[in-house]
Amino acid sequence: GAGVSQTPSNKVTEKGKYVELRCDPISGHTALYWYRQSLGQGPEFLIYFQGTGAADDSGLPNDRFFAVRPEGSVSTLKIQRTERGDSAVYLCASSPMGTAQETQYFGPGTRLLVL
Amino acid sequence: AQSVTQPDIHITVSEGASLELRCNYSYGATPYLFWYVQSPGQGLQLLLKYFSGDTLVQGIKGFEAEFKRSQSSFNLRKPSVHWSDAAEYFCAVGTTSGTYKYIFGTGTRLKVLA
Repeated sequence: GAGVSQTPSNKVTEKGKYVELRCDPISGHTALYWYRQSLGQGPEFLIYFQGTGAADDSGLPNDRFFAVRPEGSVSTLKIQRTERGDSAVYLCASSPMGTAQETQYFGPGTRLLVL
Repeated sequence: AQSVTQPDIHITVSEGASLELRCNYSYGATPYLFWYVQSPGQGLQLLLKYFSGDTLVQGIKGFEAEFKRSQSSFNLRKPSVHWSDAAEYFCAVGTTSGTYKYIFGTGTRLKVLA
């Protein structure tokens, strides 16, 4: 079946602009995660959705970052007033129910470059 | 604090040689442990995972890992490396309370010489 997909695969924007990154999880997965991978680093947790609600947004770096999942499937990560330090690969993952023993399935990521 | 350390940033091995990638973790409870591989332009792919039971875990592509509680380690091994194994490898701890998220190490980039 189809895996996790993310669009766009690459995004170049200018400092101060607004961007939206989209994640389409595996069908039927209720748990959805966003991670950010900076150059030379491992992925870092940003936010976790269980269904439509953000169950844990403790990893969002500041209030310029926001994410939604209005119908419990597709999620959008939104970044306002982008800064050069936001440049990274943004990864999305999903799992069936969000339990500890489940494997998280990752998408290919969106590479964001802020000029 | 929960953390994962991968001491080797880069490793180079010859094709056919054995491989060991190191991973050390810091976690207050019994950890759930994972190894993922990331090839250029690809998403993270799960190689293997450990939750409990037998401390030697078999994964895909001929990889295995051994959980050693006394050393807080979960090292990844492969007896004979193939050129296609060149990629970046990430060790992760899965938290077991609250949000079940992953804490990743910084990764080890593997280069394979023909």
